[in-house]
Amino acid sequence: SQQGEEDPQALSIQEGENATMNCSYKTSINNLQWYRQNSGRGLVHLILIRSNEREKHSGRLRVTLDTSKKSSSLLITASRAADTASYFCATSNFGNEKLTFGTGTRLTIIP
Amino acid sequence: DAMVIQNPRYQVTQFGKPVTLSCSQTLNHNVMYWYQQKSSQAPKLLFHYYDKDFNNEADTPDNFQSRRPNTSFCFLDIRSPGLGDAAMYLCATSRVGGNTGELFFGEGSRLTVL
Repeated sequence: SQQGEEDPQALSIQEGENATMNCSYKTSINNLQWYRQNSGRGLVHLILIRSNEREKHSGRLRVTLDTSKKSSSLLITASRAADTASYFCATSNFGNEKLTFGTGTRLTIIP
Repeated sequence: DAMVIQNPRYQVTQFGKPVTLSCSQTLNHNVMYWYQQKSSQAPKLLFHYYDKDFNNEADTPDNFQSRRPNTSFCFLDIRSPGLGDAAMYLCATSRVGGNTGELFFGEGSRLTVL
């Protein structure tokens, strides 16, 4: 069963604006990861945040994690046309090596 | 430099005609996964291998089988494809025991069932 639900399902913004996507999950996690998927391609890992971390940065990406609310957010700053893609959160539980994906957000950057 | 390679990228088959999709990796990762992704949906885990140990998801249909003859290769066999099996099939690897838990994906194999 799916662990994560993402919000919004679709997001369109102007190039240069910031994009924020949210992910909620149901059970305790070991870590939470974000992936990007360009149309018709495989998924690419963006960033991982552990359950004992609250915020993490990587280039233009900022991820937050609130384990009390079982939620995470991905912020992409100064968006570019090349950021157009689907973004998925994925959760890893303690004790197994499986990764369960959320429903995804389709991001469109308008040049 | 491709690290997880899936073949074929596009596969067309007829209803009920068996299909095999392949995945190879150069990362020497001990875990290999097969995900099914239907249009505009999340990837859904079918099964995974932890070394030679096969782990099937409870809701994976019996129509789907897998083989991992060695560390580098993994195959997905669909014994009798139905129209509902049309999807992108994604292979991924990870190195469990490391610090990241990151999955490395191939480019996928898109299956069309006529």
